[in-house]
This record gives sequence, structure tokens and C-alpha cells, in this order.
Amino acid sequence: DSGVTQTPKHLITATGQRVTLRCSPRSGDLSVYWYQQSLDQGLQFLIQYYNGEERAKGNILERFSAQQFPDLHSELNLSSLELGDSALYFCASSEQGISGNTIYFGEGSWLTVV
Amino acid sequence: AQTVTQSQPEMSVQEAETVTLSCTYDTSESNYYLFWYKQPPSRQMILVIRQEAYKQQNATENRFSVNFQKAAKSFSLKISDSQLGDTAMYFCALGNEKLTFGTGTRLTIIP
Repeated sequence: DSGVTQTPKHLITATGQRVTLRCSPRSGDLSVYWYQQSLDQGLQFLIQYYNGEERAKGNILERFSAQQFPDLHSELNLSSLELGDSALYFCASSEQGISGNTIYFGEGSWLTVV
Repeated sequence: AQTVTQSQPEMSVQEAETVTLSCTYDTSESNYYLFWYKQPPSRQMILVIRQEAYKQQNATENRFSVNFQKAAKSFSLKISDSQLGDTAMYFCALGNEKLTFGTGTRLTIIP
């Protein structure tokens, strides 16, 4: 158990819909990262938050947005869903940034768009 | 831009043998970190080993060790005395603030 909690674990939704994925980082970790892993692919970095502020942005679609709340949990919002958005979405956390810290991953949220 | 290349899509070895997974990378950063993550069928991402680029000494964690060649931008993972539980996808990753992952090597340990 990495200490990073993601909900829901599985989600099936229809095209055009909107979903929210939630992440609680490890206790004491200020940085939260979101990654997308499509079938048989590597992980693609989406976005990073540090203590409530956006810190780095990767290949995140405009239909996707994220935020980190004062209690440090984070949410990834996916809207106007398409079949190609079906993937495993990982949240990860670290104490600060990567420098000098290890990133721990949650178990992921499986999103299936039908 | 940072890139990570894993040139071995699949590998298989007999149980108890030693196997080496290859990884090359490219970055313009002077300070960075390298990681190997294991992803078993459960899809959980499990940290195997981590290397700070400024350290010349190769990291070791029990049966797992790395061969870090900074000038060649190479970061290979050696698994000694391989076990059935080592069967998984292995991802090499590079980062400073965010991680860039390779496409992975699917490792199968044969009984």
C-alpha cells in the first residue's frame, strides 16, 4: 500500500459525459501528479500540483482539468469524453518535487468510455 | 524535451537466472533522477530502484541493481536470481519535476 488513495477504482461512462477522479496523497506529501496510461502504453504525464498551485503541465487535453484543494487532495475532471479517453489514470504524490523525493503511485482509476 | 527509450519490448528468462533490462535517455538537465518501476498484472506502479544523476555509485536494492552510465545516458536494470514474482512490465523513468516514462519491457520469468 503506497498510501495514495484513488477513487473510484473503476468507472464506466458514455461518450460525451463528464467524470471526476479523486486522489488523496500520502500524509505529508505536498505534490500531486496525474498520469494517463492507455492500453499497453507507457504513462503520460498530465499535470502536477504543489501545495494547491499548478506546477507543471504535460499533455493534458483542454477537455481535462485538475485542481488541488487546501486539504491537498486533488481531482481530475474529464469532460466531453471520447472512446479514446478510456485508460488507467494514476495519481501520484511526493513530499515536494521529484528532487530528493520519491514519487508514490496510487492503484489507479480505470475509466472505460462506451 | 526529455526522452526515454526502452528498446526491448519483451524479454523472458528462466527462474533463478540474471536478466538485464536496457534504458537510454536524453535530457538537457544537469540534475535529474532515474527510476525503474515495476507494473505487475494488477497494474499497480511499484518503485523498484532510484538513482540520483549526481551520484556515481550505482544504486542497489536487494536483487535489483543498476548500471548507470551518465556520459552514455544509459540506465540499465539488472535482476539477479530472478523469481516468478518478478514477472511484470518494467518502466524506466527520468525526471526532475515530472517523470517521463519509457514504453516498457514486458518481462516473463519462466518456471
